[in-house]
Amino acid sequence: TQLLEQSPQFLSIQEGENLTVYCNSSSVFSSLQWYRQEPGEGPVLLVTVVTGGEVKKLKRLTFQFGDARKDSSLHITAAQPGDTGLYLCAGETPGGSYIPTFGRGTSLIVHP
Amino acid sequence: EAGVAQSPRYKIIEKRQSVAFWCNPISGHATLYWYQQILGQGPKLLIQFQNNGVVDDSQLPKDRFSAERLKGVDSTLKIQPAKLEDSAVYLCASSPGDSNQPQHFGDGTRLSIL
Repeated sequence: TQLLEQSPQFLSIQEGENLTVYCNSSSVFSSLQWYRQEPGEGPVLLVTVVTGGEVKKLKRLTFQFGDARKDSSLHITAAQPGDTGLYLCAGETPGGSYIPTFGRGTSLIVHP
Repeated sequence: EAGVAQSPRYKIIEKRQSVAFWCNPISGHATLYWYQQILGQGPKLLIQFQNNGVVDDSQLPKDRFSAERLKGVDSTLKIQPAKLEDSAVYLCASSPGDSNQPQHFGDGTRLSIL
């Protein structure tokens, strides 16, 4: 079983549409990170959320960390073809050494 | 700053052969990670080093996989002998410390087992 469940697994939309992807767990995380990965490349960090209820914005991307620090969402407004990629969430559980755990990812395709 | 360097970018071998991957992390980064990413899945941590010590290798198949970071800088990951299910992208990442630090990834080595 995955510690971090991401949904949906695949998303294919038209340019200009809005979308939300989710990252859920039954475990509490001290922080969650969102990465985007393009084909043939390694993941690139988008944001880290640390505080329960925290909202961070990065241009058209809005990230939210759940109040209980068990879940997170990524909302993209007016998606563009350049947003195409695999969106991954990764978390760290509280206490001890940081052993990173990744979700399976949401594969997003934005059609022009 | 220079990013995480990995080589080779691609490798094709037959099952039961051996293969090695190399990673040069960002200068000054104490923590180095090796991940396996199978097509359609997220990265799975194989081993994590803090300087030249192993922090976690619980998901490393130790009967065939080995990794070292002898001088606390570069690292190598070896598979011997390879199996078909080892076909994947092997990603290396580094970070300055061991908690809440963003990871910087290399572009990976794509391994195909015939």
